[in-house]
Amino acid sequence: QVQLVESGGGLVKPGGSLRLSCAASGFTFSDYYMSWIRQAPGKGLEWVSYISSSGSTIYYADSVKGRFTISRDNAKNSLYLQMNSLRAEDTAVYYCAGNPRFTFAFDIWGQGTMVTVSS
Amino acid sequence: SYVLTQPPSVSVAPGQTARITCGGNNIGSKSVHWYQQKPGQAPVLVVYDDSDRPSGIPERFSGSNSGNTATLTISRVEAGDEADYYCQVWDSSSDHPGVFGGGTKLTVL
Repeated sequence: QVQLVESGGGLVKPGGSLRLSCAASGFTFSDYYMSWIRQAPGKGLEWVSYISSSGSTIYYADSVKGRFTISRDNAKNSLYLQMNSLRAEDTAVYYCAGNPRFTFAFDIWGQGTMVTVSS
Repeated sequence: SYVLTQPPSVSVAPGQTARITCGGNNIGSKSVHWYQQKPGQAPVLVVYDDSDRPSGIPERFSGSNSGNTATLTISRVEAGDEADYYCQVWDSSSDHPGVFGGGTKLTVL
């Protein structure tokens, strides 16, 4: 079945780094645009970053620009988020989500991975 | 950057109609998408491109978009519809184009 599975979350100290992964299955990953979306505890959804199907177009939210790097490997059906210089305010559940080319609605979501930034 | 405004909460009795609004400057010129999120679960797309429904989403869920307001309408509300609902647009004119509303908690009385 159509599935996205995130991994790589955990507890990290402020200033530290973490790399999230998202494994896709059950659909043609290379046809999908992908994003990372996060949700701080008790808060709403916040879009974090986007990468086009080929990887040629990338966007970031201002809150993570210069610290986070999104990438994908279509041969491995995988999406990544390298997070550096982590701050307490980056603490959240991180979801990978995909949208098909004909709409910017996220119709596929992973179950999320928790990132906690704390000393 | 583009801002989407949702009411924090909406309450409705079972069997009635719930309307959740999403305000934005000239939002009628954009495609609006709606998500349902239940506690401890990932969001689920319930309406895309203003008024289309993904397969498997009941016809009770519908959407509209005009002027400065988009609306998600849930007819014949059931207890299982109690959840947080988020609107979302893609602001192609921005270099940080992903935008979510703040979310609305739907309570079924």
